[in-house]
Amino acid sequence: KAGVTQTPRYLIKTRGQQVTLSCSPISGHRSVSWYQQTPGQGLQFLFEYFSETQRNKGNFPGRFSGRQFSNSRSEMNVSTLELGDSALYLCASAFSGRAQYFGPGTRLTVT
Amino acid sequence: GQQLNQSPQSMFIQEGEDVSMNCTSSSIFNTWLWYKQDPGEGPVLLIALYKAGELTSNGRLTAQFGITRKDSFLNISASIPSDVGIYFCAGRDTGNQFYFGTGTSLTVIP
Repeated sequence: KAGVTQTPRYLIKTRGQQVTLSCSPISGHRSVSWYQQTPGQGLQFLFEYFSETQRNKGNFPGRFSGRQFSNSRSEMNVSTLELGDSALYLCASAFSGRAQYFGPGTRLTVT
Repeated sequence: GQQLNQSPQSMFIQEGEDVSMNCTSSSIFNTWLWYKQDPGEGPVLLIALYKAGELTSNGRLTAQFGITRKDSFLNISASIPSDVGIYFCAGRDTGNQFYFGTGTSLTVIP
């Protein structure tokens, strides 16, 4: 069974721009979560989607948004990028109530 | 958000030695997970625990779900150089949200 895939793997953007990241979960997994990982803050939870509905949300500004499609694929959008948004963005999928499996991440650099 | 208390923060050990690390939480968790992360990659699931008291092994790795449901430990026996990396614990609370430890950086000296 294929693992979680994320595209793109690397991105360089300029302050003020917006970015969209994509995540394809493991087949059969309906829960998709997004995390931001930085050296100083560790893994920070952004939001979780389940069956196209946002089920949980972390403590991030409204510039961070997401959505999930009927095939469970998910996208995350960050608008008006700031330097501090530079991070590894991780997507994780899970079968109901079970362990999360992570993708390889998207490395976002904001200049 | 809540973060788990994971210790130690870093370990430097000789090849062949055993390793032990643990995680504690102020909240009750329904699931404990242990991951290993290499630089620039996503965390890889090592062991998943779903019941209090559960003890599970994966090769040289053994993890236990604490009986109070507020802690978990991971042991690595006979460490080898490829065990190098950062190990994270994660717990899922009754609201179905996951929380992560701050990581244990493991260095194995050949």
